[in-house]
Amino acid sequence: SQTIHQWPATLVQPVGSPLSLECTVEGTSNPNLYWYRQAAGRGLQLLFYSVGIGQISSEVPQNLSASRPQDRQFILSSKKLLLSDSGFYLCAWRSLAGIYNEQFFGPGTRLTVL
Amino acid sequence: AQSVTQPDIHITVSEGASLELRCNYSYGATPYLFWYVQSPGQGLQLLLKYFSGDTLVQGIKGFEAEFKRSQSSFNLRKPSVHWSDAAEYFCAFNDYKLSFGAGTTVTVRA
Repeated sequence: SQTIHQWPATLVQPVGSPLSLECTVEGTSNPNLYWYRQAAGRGLQLLFYSVGIGQISSEVPQNLSASRPQDRQFILSSKKLLLSDSGFYLCAWRSLAGIYNEQFFGPGTRLTVL
Repeated sequence: AQSVTQPDIHITVSEGASLELRCNYSYGATPYLFWYVQSPGQGLQLLLKYFSGDTLVQGIKGFEAEFKRSQSSFNLRKPSVHWSDAAEYFCAFNDYKLSFGAGTTVTVRA
């Protein structure tokens, strides 16, 4: 069966520090991968998605970047965090094998920038 | 533009009472529609999905949803709510990505 992991689960970082959040998927090949942010009291905002290794699409301009160095690994990064980067970050994967194409979500990372 | 709208930001319901969460979509063709649930501090879990066929879809945890093309709606229902159903619920439709509604927070009172 497929599983998706995210770490760390929680993170407290000072403004201006770098960031690296990791997401890995097991049990599937060639998934589409997604990074979402959920700010307090707000819905889900798609940040990045990737259809393959090294292929990243950005949905909104921001202080963050994403990379996909391996088929089942998706990394969210920042060189200098802002207060506004605080939120709950969710990674998701989707298989193109089935017709329904639902996304499966990881447990999330709670990021607090102070 | 293609989108989903959840008109209700917050709903409070008594335990044992019925629940209905509204979702309206705007899409040129028949969309793939989903309902997800998010417990506090957790990721999202898929409750049910609709692609085609029977317009009444059964999901997990006793939830169901009905697709109504004439109303562009995909409302989620549960006949008897349990305290563990307190969570945030998201409606979504699938294009090349999932587009989510803003979410409805459900509070269950004893």
